[in-house]
Amino acid sequence: QVQLVESGGDVVQPGRSLRLSCAASGFTFSRHGMQWVRQAPGKGLDWVAATSNDGSDKYYGDSVKGRFIISRDNSKNTLYLQMNSLRVEDTAVYYCAKLFSSGWSADYWGQGTLVTVSS
Amino acid sequence: QSALTQPRSVSGSPGQSVTISCTGTSSDVGGYDYVSWYQHHPGKAPQLIIYDVTERPSGVPDRFSGSKSDNTASLTISGLQAEDEADYHCCSYADGSVRFGEGTKLTVL
Repeated sequence: QVQLVESGGDVVQPGRSLRLSCAASGFTFSRHGMQWVRQAPGKGLDWVAATSNDGSDKYYGDSVKGRFIISRDNSKNTLYLQMNSLRVEDTAVYYCAKLFSSGWSADYWGQGTLVTVSS
Repeated sequence: QSALTQPRSVSGSPGQSVTISCTGTSSDVGGYDYVSWYQHHPGKAPQLIIYDVTERPSGVPDRFSGSKSDNTASLTISGLQAEDEADYHCCSYADGSVRFGEGTKLTVL
């Protein structure tokens, strides 16, 4: 069965960096686009970034553009999110999700990893 | 990149129907037939229940249905059950990005 397991969440100070990972299994990882979505405490879902199946195309939400980098290693079935210049408002649970349709719907999600940005 | 507009909360009794609206613009909801809905129980992974406006993934009960008119999409849940109590998030493709709604908390009375 499809499994997505995020890791790397931590408590970090503003301005620091952090890298999240998402280990995928149960499907052919290299055939599917992937995305990161986050949810701040008490807020709705917020789209962070997406990448095509081969990593050649990358897309970012306005709030993270220029600070976050999405990447993937298809040989390791792993998705990454490099988060730089972190801000307090980046505090959230970060989910990775598998894309499956032309409209970027996500049919499988991980359980999420918590990132807390605080001084 | 504004969030789509959803009611903060809705409620209904078991067996009743509820509809959750999701209003965007011609740049997102109105411009593409790529609206999806997610059910999210706190502490769990979100679950896709509707994609491409009206399509249901396999395993999702037909009590869940989606529609769209102009810039507003809707999710209707008929025959409400206790386990439907959750947060519901709409989502639309928007030309190389994705926009989510603010989320609606459904309470089953």
